[in-house]
Amino acid sequence: QVQLVQSGPEVKKPGASVKVSCKASGYTFISYDISWVRQAPGQGLEWMGWISPYNGNTNYAQKFQGRLAMTTDTSTSTAYMELRSLRSDDTAVYYCARDGVYDRVDYWGQGTLVTVSS
Amino acid sequence: DVVMTQSPLSLPVTLGQPASISCRSSQSLVHSDGNTYLNWFQQRPGQSPRRLIYKVSNRDSGVPDRFSGSGSGTDFTLKISRVEAEDVGVYYCMQGTHWPLTFGGGTKVEIK
Repeated sequence: QVQLVQSGPEVKKPGASVKVSCKASGYTFISYDISWVRQAPGQGLEWMGWISPYNGNTNYAQKFQGRLAMTTDTSTSTAYMELRSLRSDDTAVYYCARDGVYDRVDYWGQGTLVTVSS
Repeated sequence: DVVMTQSPLSLPVTLGQPASISCRSSQSLVHSDGNTYLNWFQQRPGQSPRRLIYKVSNRDSGVPDRFSGSGSGTDFTLKISRVEAEDVGVYYCMQGTHWPLTFGGGTKVEIK
């Protein structure tokens, strides 16, 4: 069965960086893309960006340009999301989700809480 | 960016009664490949979102048939034919036709 297992919760200070991992299993990793979505406390869902494990192509939402980096390691079927220059309003649960060309955003990881606080 | 507008914000429903959620997009969601990439997700309290419906009206595996999706172009609807206690949560629509992907603001379904 398809599973996306994310890394554990993080607490960071403003200005720091965070890197969240997402390990995929149960399917061929390079056959599907990965989207990252975040959810601030009590708020809705916000798409952050997308990466193709097949060729490394990325597409980031405008608001994160310059401080967001998505990568993958095909040898371990793991996707990574790194967000730099953290601010308090980056406090959120960060989700990875499998994303197909003709089947958008089906399976989700369990989420990773990132808390930004001084 | 495509704006997804859901209504209502909150939906109190009596057990066993139907429920309907509307989702409107600011532009057509028909892709150049002919598909309409409109998904519906359910998020129960404390859980990750779960996809219920993809490409407007296709139910995901394991989703009860009381859930159905319909619509076209810019106007879409999720219906629950008879609400059960386990349906409590927040429902989101999402468009995957245009970059960036965008979500509706969510509709909270609760039991009266």
